[in-house]
Amino acid sequence: SQELEQSPQSLIVQEGKNLTINCTSSKTLYGLYWYKQKYGEGLIFLMMLQKGGEEKSHEKITAKLDEKKQQSSLHITASQPSHAGIYLCGARSRSNDYKLSFGAGTTVTVRA
Amino acid sequence: ETGVTQTPRHLVMGMTNKKSLKCEQHLGHNAMYWYKQSAKKPLELMFVYSLEERVENNSVPSRFSPECPNSSHLFLHLHTLQPEDSALYLCASSQVKGAAEKLFFGSGTQLSVL
Repeated sequence: SQELEQSPQSLIVQEGKNLTINCTSSKTLYGLYWYKQKYGEGLIFLMMLQKGGEEKSHEKITAKLDEKKQQSSLHITASQPSHAGIYLCGARSRSNDYKLSFGAGTTVTVRA
Repeated sequence: ETGVTQTPRHLVMGMTNKKSLKCEQHLGHNAMYWYKQSAKKPLELMFVYSLEERVENNSVPSRFSPECPNSSHLFLHLHTLQPEDSALYLCASSQVKGAAEKLFFGSGTQLSVL
C-alpha cells in the first residue's frame, strides 16, 4: 500500500510569516490531494495536483507537485489565524483506484 | 456544508452496546467510504462502496458491520467494541468515473468506547 510521510509533524508560526509543509510518497503518485481539517471535524478539500510540475494557488495557499521526487509541498504566504488547523495530503496508488491513502497530517498553529 | 452529513456527532458507548453511525450524501455521488482517524495516525480506510456494492474491506474486525442500502446512505453498525476503537469515524463520498474524483467528507462521529 502507499505510504505518505508528512513533515513537519507540527509547526508554530508567527502571524504574517510564511510556512511550508511537505508530503513524500513511497510510491508513484497518481493524483495528490491536499485537505485541511479542524480538530475533531471533517476534511475540507483544498487542492488537487495531477501532473508533474503542476502548481496551483488559492488565496494565499500554493501547492506544487514534483512527480520525479514523488513529493508535494504546500506553502502558505503571510499566515493568518484562519490558517490554523491540520493539513493532510492524500494520494492514489493506482491511476484507476477509488480510494485515497493519507498522511498523518501536519498541525499548524498561528500565533498572533 | 459539504453535502455529506454524519450523525451522531458524538457517541459514547459501553463495550456491550450496539449502536449505528449514519452517513447521508446529497451530491449524487456513486461511491461512499468509511475512514477511521486515531490520534497521530494516518486515516485508515475501512470500507468502500461503489454503486452500492462493497468493493473494499481492509481487514476490519467483524464488530464493525457496514451497510449501504442505496447510493445516498451509508451505515456503520457497531457491536461489542473495544476501548481501542475510540476514534473519529469519517464518512466520505465521491463520483467514480474510471478512477474516483476528489472525496467529500462529513464532519465525523467522535466515538468513545468505555
